[in-house]
Amino acid sequence: NAGVMQNPRHLVRRRGQEARLRCSPMKGHSHVYWYRQLPEEGLKFMVYLQKENIIDESGMPKERFSAEFPKEGPSILRIQQVVRGDSAAYFCASSPRSRNSGNTIYFGEGSWLTVV
Amino acid sequence: AQSVTQLGSHVSVSEGALVLLRCNYSSSVPPYLFWYVQYPNQGLQLLLKYTTGATLVKGINGFEAEFKKSETSFHLTKPSAHMSDAAEYFCAVTSNYGGSQGNLIFGKGTKLSVKP
Repeated sequence: NAGVMQNPRHLVRRRGQEARLRCSPMKGHSHVYWYRQLPEEGLKFMVYLQKENIIDESGMPKERFSAEFPKEGPSILRIQQVVRGDSAAYFCASSPRSRNSGNTIYFGEGSWLTVV
Repeated sequence: AQSVTQLGSHVSVSEGALVLLRCNYSSSVPPYLFWYVQYPNQGLQLLLKYTTGATLVKGINGFEAEFKKSETSFHLTKPSAHMSDAAEYFCAVTSNYGGSQGNLIFGKGTKLSVKP
C-alpha cells in the first residue's frame, strides 16, 4: 500500500512563475491536507479538501494560492507569480477520516520549492 | 482555538541518556495529541498519538508519551537515546469537534541531537 505520493520533490522557479505541486493520497483516503513548512518553523495548515470540495482553506494566503482535489487525479496546490517568500517545504497529508482513525493523518515526503 | 508550545527548540543528550521533549497544549475541547518525527529533507512520520483511553501511550522506536490533562502536557520520553534518534520532533493537537476536525496544529519543533 503506497503512502502519500508527492511530486515533484524539488522544484525551482524564478520569481513571477507558477508552481504546481501534486499529491496522490494513500489508497482508500478521500481527504487531503496541505501544510507549509518555512525554514526554522513548524508546519502550518493551509487547506483541507475532499474530492471536488474545499472544506477549510483558513490557512491559505488570500492571493496567488489555490488548491483543488478533482474527482479524478491528484490534488494540486498552485502558486501563481511566486515570490522569494514562497520558498518552503510543502507537505501533503491524507486521512480516511473514519472516527476510528483518531484523526490520524499520514504525510508525504514533501515538495521543496525554491524561488530564485 | 488550539495551540501547542514545545519548550526548547534544541535538546542535546548523550547516547544512552534519557530523552525528554516537552509539549504543552491549549484546547477548549478534548484534544487529540500527536508526536511526529522528521529526518532531514523527509516527511513526517507518526511516532504516537493519544485520542482517548489510556493516558500513557507507547509508540515506535521505544518512545512513549503521557497525556496529563491537569498539566495540559504531552511530553515525549525515551529511556535510552540512540544515535539514530537525532531528528526534529513535532508535537501536534487537533480534536474531533467542530471546525478543527483533522486539522493539526503543530508546535515549532524540537531538534534532538545525540552525542556519542
